Amino acid sequence: GQNIDQPTEMTATEGAIVQINCTYQTSGFNGLFWYQQHAGEAPTFLSYNVLDGLEEKGRFSSFLSRSKGYSYLLLKELQMKDSASYLCACVDSNYQLIWGAGTKLIIKP
Amino acid sequence: GAVVSQHPSWVICKSGTSVKIECRSLDFQATTMFWYRQFPKQSLMLMATSNEGSKATYEQGVEKDKFLINHASLTLSTLTVTSAHPEDSSFYICSARDGGQDYEQYFGPGTRLTVT
Repeated sequence: GQNIDQPTEMTATEGAIVQINCTYQTSGFNGLFWYQQHAGEAPTFLSYNVLDGLEEKGRFSSFLSRSKGYSYLLLKELQMKDSASYLCACVDSNYQLIWGAGTKLIIKP
Repeated sequence: GAVVSQHPSWVICKSGTSVKIECRSLDFQATTMFWYRQFPKQSLMLMATSNEGSKATYEQGVEKDKFLINHASLTLSTLTVTSAHPEDSSFYICSARDGGQDYEQYFGPGTRLTVT
């Protein structure tokens, strides 16, 4: 079966760094997305990785290891507005997105 | 670019009535559109995938006669919740994908449906 695992909830302090992990098992793999979703809003795109390695985009970075079926999203210099759910999603062999349950990130002052 | 709109953004209806939600891609042609449902504090649940001009593919457990999907053009898909009941109250989100190698899904802002 297909499975995406990520922690349910994480707490971090404003200004700090947090890493949100995602492990996956899918039938075929055509890349991995990270989305941010604030409560009551639709998801917004953060990153897409299809090759191994680290992609940096401002305060956010995303890492992928295809051999390990593993990715992480790294958020630096945390701000209160970063409090949201972060969704990991893989593109399977049918080019469908398989969604993780999301990680709720709570930022404390 | 890649903007998707949804209408209405919220709707309240009485039990037994039908509600139509529109999803439009504003600046690209969406060969594939997806409809999701999200209950409070839960992740997105894919309901169905629709390709322009063909019948939608529904996920297991989603009643196709209750959730009617029409994707008549490359910029518009509609979801009609027929004979709505309170348990259908949810956040409905559409997304659209351009053709080619772009697997990213562009999300609409969502529609909050409350059935009383």
